[in-house]
Amino acid sequence: EIVLTQSPATLSLSPGERATLSCRASQSVITYLAWYQQKPGQAPRLLIYDASNRATGIPARFSGSGSGTDFTLTISSLEPEDFAVYYCQQRYNWPPITFGQGTRLEIK
Amino acid sequence: EVQLLESGGGLVQPGGSLRLSCAASGFTFSNYGVGWVRQAPGKGLEWVSVISDNGERTEYADSVKGRFTISRDNSKNTVYLQMNSLRVEDTAVYYCAKPRTPGLVPHFDYWGQGTLVTVSS
Repeated sequence: EIVLTQSPATLSLSPGERATLSCRASQSVITYLAWYQQKPGQAPRLLIYDASNRATGIPARFSGSGSGTDFTLTISSLEPEDFAVYYCQQRYNWPPITFGQGTRLEIK
Repeated sequence: EVQLLESGGGLVQPGGSLRLSCAASGFTFSNYGVGWVRQAPGKGLEWVSVISDNGERTEYADSVKGRFTISRDNSKNTVYLQMNSLRVEDTAVYYCAKPRTPGLVPHFDYWGQGTLVTVSS
């Protein structure tokens, strides 16, 4: 099973700042990694698929990078609606489909 | 507009059963696999099961294997999750989700609103 470890667990930033979230895989997932955003009481929303491709309707301030075992989600300039929990997920070696434990992005 | 609507959640005693449904619309249902993902209260996302577009392939998390069964009826655009021998640790919001591309490539671009399953005596 591929374990995904996200860091930090919580990130405290202000609107307008740049956010950098990390996801590390226990073995290579090539580029078969996605990022999701989840707000309280809502379903997850796909942001990035295959490491660096923005999903339909996702603003350009969201970008993904990385390959192998180290991946990054960057939000270039935080908007108030970006404060949420973010999860990474791999589809390279499944089952099982695995998610990271999440990074909470909170307002400083 | 793509929509996924889960139903069937509720309160059940340990050892009991529930059947969840996921009704889909707005896309060619028979071309896509469907997945179930759950989220325990205050916890992260946990994959539960997936089924291929024609129903011939099914996969399960070890935590539910042998207790849960996924199936689909393409004539009704609906996927089911039969949950037996439920445990307290199965308590969660259960989401169904659609893969981004036809087939069963599990990056999920549409999700239902979720249905809450509570297992308690």
